[in-house]
Amino acid sequence: GNSVTQMEGPVTLSEEAFLTINCTYTATGYPSLFWYVQYPGEGLQLLLKATKADDKGSNKGFEATYRKETTSFHLEKGSVQVSDSAVYFCALSDRSFNKFYFGSGTKLNVKP
Amino acid sequence: DTAVSQTPKYLVTQMGNDKSIKCEQNLGHDTMYWYKQDSKKFLKIMFSYNNKELIINETVPNRFSPKSPDKAHLNLHINSLELGDSAVYFCASSQVGTGSIKETQYFGPGTRLLVL
Repeated sequence: GNSVTQMEGPVTLSEEAFLTINCTYTATGYPSLFWYVQYPGEGLQLLLKATKADDKGSNKGFEATYRKETTSFHLEKGSVQVSDSAVYFCALSDRSFNKFYFGSGTKLNVKP
Repeated sequence: DTAVSQTPKYLVTQMGNDKSIKCEQNLGHDTMYWYKQDSKKFLKIMFSYNNKELIINETVPNRFSPKSPDKAHLNLHINSLELGDSAVYFCASSQVGTGSIKETQYFGPGTRLLVL
């Protein structure tokens, strides 16, 4: 079956620190992979995505590379800001059934 | 212009009541979804409609009934509300395509339901 596992939070960092949030997946077929971000009191927003192996998604300084050999899609940012504080969700899309599978979310707290 | 909108944003009600949440998308998408997010932020899909046809129906109590009057709308009606129904409910939409990159889901702002 399909599933997504991401590191438990909360992750607390100081401003300008390097961020990594781990995400691994299991899937049948060739899914697309996504990172969504949820700011306090808001809905989920697409942060970045990758649709095939070795693709790199990037947006707002965040990056993630679709690694088929390690079934991973880790989120990274070189220098976090206080405004990056949010919950981050890794997800995969099962194209066969048009179904999304979300990880449990990782809360990021960035302190000034 | 809001892409996916939900009403109401907040809903506080008594146990046993019946309530509805409405969702509209102006993205021209053909598929819409309802998700439930619990207090630990875990997201669970409940239903999905493609062109007004139910395509995903997860294990959800039959007190929950989705209705899609047209492609742009997907409403959620909940009968006999229970304390455990308290959560944030998100609507989302996407354009389903075979092997296409248009499968991204776009989420509404959520409806915060509190059952007392």
